[in-house]
Amino acid sequence: DQQVKQNSPSLSVQEGRISILNCDYTNSMFDYFLWYKKYPAEGPTFLISISSIKDKNEDGRFTVFLNKSAKHLSLHIVPSQPGDSAVYFCAASATSNTGKLIFGQGTTLQVKP
Amino acid sequence: GAGVSQSPSNKVTEKGKDVELRCDPISGHTALYWYRQSLGQGLEFLIYFQGNSAPDKSGLPSDRFSAERTGGSVSTLTIQRTQQEDSAVYLCASSSVIPGELFFGEGSRLTVL
Repeated sequence: DQQVKQNSPSLSVQEGRISILNCDYTNSMFDYFLWYKKYPAEGPTFLISISSIKDKNEDGRFTVFLNKSAKHLSLHIVPSQPGDSAVYFCAASATSNTGKLIFGQGTTLQVKP
Repeated sequence: GAGVSQSPSNKVTEKGKDVELRCDPISGHTALYWYRQSLGQGLEFLIYFQGNSAPDKSGLPSDRFSAERTGGSVSTLTIQRTQQEDSAVYLCASSSVIPGELFFGEGSRLTVL
């Protein structure tokens, strides 16, 4: 049972344009969400998070949007840069439970110069 | 060290052998996770330790897998009678806050021949 789903395995955008990565979840108990970026042969690194009490969180070029009614979140990267090329994972946690993080399958982003 | 340390970074073993993977979390982090990433797949949750609570073992794929965390710090993931499908990158992560950012190690790549 895949509780966190990233339905697009890959995404290609032009440098300077917006990258939009999507994530859907099924567990209504999830109330904390994070995005991670992973380069080859490295561990994932934290990008940005959002609590369910908010619908938007922004950090520089990165913005995460949360639509609780649709059980959907998205990561916007504006403007996209070639160094953003990596695998992006979304993750969700039910803080009222154990708090363990469940990850999606990942989306590979390629930003072309 | 400043980050999460995992060893060995690479392990090649024969089918049927036992392997141990080690994780040194960031000092003071009470939460410790093990995930694995098989080729082309997402991050699969394995086990989660939080303070002195009983670990959440719900992600362990079979009884050949076990993990312990000694003294609330170092953790060892043991895979008995390894199978080829166990080949993956095993990632350890720790966190000081629940919910919160996980800090990942670089992983241990296991290859079962």
